[in-house]
Amino acid sequence: GAVVSQHPSWVICKSGTSVKIECRSLDFQATTMFWYRQFPKQSLMLMATSNEGSKATYEQGVEKDKFLINHASLTLSTLTVTSAHPEDSSFYICSAGRREYEQYFGPGTRLTVT
Amino acid sequence: QKEVEQDPGPLSVPEGAIVSLNCTYSNSAFQYFMWYRQYSRKGPELLMYTYSSGNKEDGRFTAQVDKSSKYISLFIRDSQPSDSATYLCAMSYNNNDMRFGAGTRLTVKP
Repeated sequence: GAVVSQHPSWVICKSGTSVKIECRSLDFQATTMFWYRQFPKQSLMLMATSNEGSKATYEQGVEKDKFLINHASLTLSTLTVTSAHPEDSSFYICSAGRREYEQYFGPGTRLTVT
Repeated sequence: QKEVEQDPGPLSVPEGAIVSLNCTYSNSAFQYFMWYRQYSRKGPELLMYTYSSGNKEDGRFTAQVDKSSKYISLFIRDSQPSDSATYLCAMSYNNNDMRFGAGTRLTVKP
């Protein structure tokens, strides 16, 4: 149990376009989902926390107008990178919270902006 | 000072060795301590969690938490080449505020 999927796993887009990444908890309901960003050989950086049916809470320094998060249901959260630029190229990972200490991670989405 | 410090390695050991991975932290409010394993280009996988101080064992893995020293450890016995991955420590005081270490890259050589 506790499977989280992400789609797409890899996306290449042109500078200035928008990209949507989906995160789904497949076998449990997640009231809270998290979005992380990870640069090569670095740890995960929390970008935002989203609760179903309410606005996401963004970490300091994360542009909420650039990284749009929607948590439409207990099993689906989406991250949209708007007007992407090469510096947005990164590995984006979502996680879904099941119990107080448990976060289950998706497989990640590699975004390359050309 | 970072909230969570973890030596990024890399750490290379022969197959069968005992591996010791460690993290230190500065926030005494942390109550939940986790270890994640991350293979290259994959999402982290929860390996172990511990609440407050103490030890926890699961197969070849043992997690230890020493809150008085603000120090946590993960031991891997009889290490296997399939254990080669990056190991991330993580800790939180609630589910909404998890902080990760930088991750230690481990290679187990056959």
